Amino acid sequence: SYELTQPPSVSVSPGQTASITCSGDKLGDKYVYWYQQKPGQSPVLVIYQNTKRPSGIPERFSGSNSGNTATLTISGTQAMDESDFYCQAWDSNTVVFGGGTKLTVL
Amino acid sequence: EVQLVQSGAEVKKPGESLRISCKGSGYRFSTYWISWVRQKPGKGLEWMGRIDPSDSYSDYSPSFEGHVTISADKSFSTAYLQWSSLKASDTAMYYCARHEATIFDYWGQGTLISVTS
Repeated sequence: SYELTQPPSVSVSPGQTASITCSGDKLGDKYVYWYQQKPGQSPVLVIYQNTKRPSGIPERFSGSNSGNTATLTISGTQAMDESDFYCQAWDSNTVVFGGGTKLTVL
Repeated sequence: EVQLVQSGAEVKKPGESLRISCKGSGYRFSTYWISWVRQKPGKGLEWMGRIDPSDSYSDYSPSFEGHVTISADKSFSTAYLQWSSLKASDTAMYYCARHEATIFDYWGQGTLISVTS
């Protein structure tokens, strides 16, 4: 079965740029989606189809996908961005989630 | 406004059956798939399966096939997730999410299931 691998944790200082990676075999051939989940809340879509931002998502969130790695980049990270992030892709009509990355802003 | 409203938390005993629901509003229910996603305490997201409410076609992750049943009633704009015999390992938060093609754009608030003797 297809697997997506994320680092368990990423730390960033306020105002700096955070990068969260998601790796999988030939991931660049697929669309990747990113979700933000704050404690006690449902996931929220922040990036879809590799690079697109849904309405209402701040411009500081951006995405890329090439080769075997997709990256979620948060520019000018704010304290409110501290949360769990999950990447997601489709493989053979099955949804696959990465294991999640806890972003700490300190 | 698009909303997915899920049924409330449940506390059940091992071996009991259960059906939880996800009611869509603010959009044409039959034009979007509904998927169910499990999240065990302190763990990540796991896709369980999906249903097309227009014709009730469903498919499942191999990890969940045979353990749960996904159904829908488009006349009530509601999707369901059911178990015939719960286990302690089913204790988790369960989310429904709608998707047109591949984009999960709206999620329910989650239903917490606790299975304990």
